[in-house]
Amino acid sequence: ETGVTQTPRHLVMGMTNKKSLKCEQHLGHNAMYWYKQSAKKPLELMFVYNFKEQTENNSVPSRFSPECPNSSHLFLHLHTLQPEDSALYLCASSQDPGLSGNEQFFGPGTRLTVL
Amino acid sequence: GENVEQHPSTLSVQEGDSAVIKCTYSDSASNYFPWYKQELGKRPQLIIDIRSNVGEKKDQRIAVTLNKTAKHFSLHITETQPEDSAVYFCAAYFYSSASKIIFGSGTRLSIRP
Repeated sequence: ETGVTQTPRHLVMGMTNKKSLKCEQHLGHNAMYWYKQSAKKPLELMFVYNFKEQTENNSVPSRFSPECPNSSHLFLHLHTLQPEDSALYLCASSQDPGLSGNEQFFGPGTRLTVL
Repeated sequence: GENVEQHPSTLSVQEGDSAVIKCTYSDSASNYFPWYKQELGKRPQLIIDIRSNVGEKKDQRIAVTLNKTAKHFSLHITETQPEDSAVYFCAAYFYSSASKIIFGSGTRLSIRP
């Protein structure tokens, strides 16, 4: 699979577990994003990274912790989640999130279920 | 605050007819408005976008119009086909608080054969 890849594709975890979601982009882009997609809020931006630096944290609870070691990789570390955190977590990348706006390329998502 | 409203939430049209989805946004400084299509079980993909320096853009059966004064933009699909069935999201870039994109709540479009 090319473009933006995500692992795992499905994850079931208990509220006391710690897990991580991984995203990798093969497009040479400089910006990466985490989104949450649920029935309640179809596409909710969580975090923005531009050139490995976090530029946006959309009031996300601290039980979600992002990490961007380089422009190609993005992680979302999860701990002590709640059942309402169950959702599809989508990663995306773009050439640059700058003021001009540009196309976001989405990964296939990780379907997360918190028991 | 920054907001994008999208209507309708569901839309069913006869194959061959046209479909129109409308969005309004709150920040007059926004200047980039993309539309994404998400088929069932698949990832969202950009289908068309428009910038604030134009009022209309067309790509085959798909067109988007923008009214900056009224702060609304619309997606028009003509001669609808079964493969147009999907959820469509509008979005707007906001610059009042760093660079940020906000998506509408989505429209589930169904094409009746």
